[in-house]
Amino acid sequence: QVHLQESGPGLVKPSQTLSLTCTVSGGSISSGGYYWSWIRQHPGKGLEWIGYMHYSGTTYYNPSLKSRVAISLDTSKNQFSLKLSSVTAADTAVYYCARVGVGEPSFFFDYWGQGTLVTVSS
Amino acid sequence: EVVLTQSPATLSLSPGERATLSCRASQSVSSYLGWYQQKPGQAPRLLIYDASNRATGIPARFSGSGSGTDFTLTISSLEPEDFAVYFCQHRSNWPITFGQGTRLEIK
Repeated sequence: QVHLQESGPGLVKPSQTLSLTCTVSGGSISSGGYYWSWIRQHPGKGLEWIGYMHYSGTTYYNPSLKSRVAISLDTSKNQFSLKLSSVTAADTAVYYCARVGVGEPSFFFDYWGQGTLVTVSS
Repeated sequence: EVVLTQSPATLSLSPGERATLSCRASQSVSSYLGWYQQKPGQAPRLLIYDASNRATGIPARFSGSGSGTDFTLTISSLEPEDFAVYFCQHRSNWPITFGQGTRLEIK
């Protein structure tokens, strides 16, 4: 059973960089069959896809965030990370890491972390 | 960007009743649409992918239909644990987008 767990600061100051890590257990992020993803949910709102990365290096980002986002993989630790720069209060959200398969269910999020709330405030 | 519009925003039903939730896309997404269930304080759970395929472990009372721009999630007979928020998501192109959600509440 695949398990994902987010970690990182729960409070970030405006204009700084938000950094989160997702630790994966029960499966390898080096598997070619998956993309490793970040999604966020503003309080009481819907879901926003941030981006995802394949271990080959192929990366897709949401155009609305592309200029501020970087996703990276650390295969030695079986972790992947999110960096979001120049944050504002509008970036306050619950951040989820998730797995997306290339095979069925193709490009739907089948495993999720529990989510971590990040608040942007001085 | 594909905009997904879900209706109704809130649906009030009783256990045992049939629930019908709608998701409409601003342009055709073929059959590349899925549905998720989210309970308070939890991550979303994939229910349906590619319009009509149940994800692993999802009960048969959940079914999906539709293609192009109009999609439906049906819960044939509501169980107490089905009261939650439901989101649709497309994978037709980038960016992936989600609907704003339908809250299914106990009447």
